[in-house]
Formats: sequence, C-alpha cells, structure tokens
Amino acid sequence: GAGVSQSPSNKVTEKGKDVELRCDPISGHTALYWYRQSLGQGLEFLIYFQGNSAPDKSGLPSDRFSAERTGGSVSTLTIQRTQQEDSAVYLCASSLVRGFGNQPQHFGDGTRLSIL
Amino acid sequence: GENVEQHPSTLSVQEGDSAVIKCTYSDSASNYFPWYKQELGKGPQLIIDIRSNVGEKKDQRIAVTLNKTAKHFSLHITETQPEDSAVYFCAASITGGGADGLTFGKGTHLIIQP
Repeated sequence: GAGVSQSPSNKVTEKGKDVELRCDPISGHTALYWYRQSLGQGLEFLIYFQGNSAPDKSGLPSDRFSAERTGGSVSTLTIQRTQQEDSAVYLCASSLVRGFGNQPQHFGDGTRLSIL
Repeated sequence: GENVEQHPSTLSVQEGDSAVIKCTYSDSASNYFPWYKQELGKGPQLIIDIRSNVGEKKDQRIAVTLNKTAKHFSLHITETQPEDSAVYFCAASITGGGADGLTFGKGTHLIIQP
C-alpha cells in the first residue's frame, strides 16, 4: 500500500519568503508527526496531531512555524518569513493509535528545504 | 525531557562480521524503543522496536536488547551485508509517540567493508 507522501520533495526559496510543506499520511493512520532533520543532526520532534487536534505546540522552533491538519488526513507545515537556519529536511510520520502500547511511526522521504 | 545518547557515531565492519550500536536514555519512564535505518535521500525506515516489558527481540539478522535498570539498549546486526550500509538511529518515547513524539539519538553511520 501507499506510504507517507510528502511534497514538494525539494524546495529552494529566498530568505523572508513563506513556504508550505504538505504531508499525506498512510490511510487509516490517525496520528501524524512532524520532525526536522538538520545537516549532521538527529531528528527533532516538532508537533503531533491526533485527528485534527495538536495538543502541544511547544516543540515548534518559533512563532514563524505553524501546522494544521484538516479532515483528519493531510497536514501542512507553514514557515513564515523564512530564515537561513530553517534550512533542513522536514519529515512527516504517521501511525495508528490503539488503546494500549505504542504504535510504530512510519516516515515519508521528507521535504529538503533550502533558504538562500 | 528525555535525552538519548548513541555510540559510536561511525562504525566500519568487514562484510560478514557483526555490528553493535549502543544507546542510553535518561528518563526511566520511557517505555518504547524503536530503531530506524536511513539511506541517503530517504526517510527513516523502522527496522525493529522493543517495548519496556521485553528484554530482547530478534528478527532474522537483527536483534535489540534492553536493560531497563541501566537505561540502555543496543542494536545487533549479524552477518553484515553491503546493503546494511546506512545511518541507524535509536529513539525512545514515554507515550509511544503521543504528545512527546520520539526522542532520537544522533545516529550511527554504519559502513560495511567488502
């Protein structure tokens, strides 16, 4: 079946511009996660959605970052007034949610964002 | 919050030998520990995971061990093959990827020498 789909795969933009990144999770996965992977660094958790709700937005790096999810499926991560330090690979993951235990997160291939 | 340390940062082994990657975590409440393999230009791929009520789990050439008392867990790959070359990440979670998400180690670049 189809995995997590992210678009665009690459995005180059000028400093100060806004960008919107899209994530289409695996069908039936109600949980959705955004991570950021900077060059040479590990993965940094940004935000989690259960359905359309994000209970904790404190992981977003600054108030220039926002995320939304509508219809319990596709999510968008928006970065306003981009800065060079925003350059990174933005990864999306999704998982099932059950009443017990933890469910594996499955990742997309990410959006490589470059700020000139 | 949780902190995950991963060692070594680079590991080179001869094809056919075994590889071991080790991670430690700081929060004793963590109860889920997945391992991911990431190839260049791709997203992380889950290869094995373990929950805190289990000490060891195997899947063919891959095994993971967990020592809750010492707060460390390890990935073991036996009979390594060229296609095992990649970056491997360990992670830990308290809620299983709920509001806290996964906390990742910095990664290990595994190189399989022919």
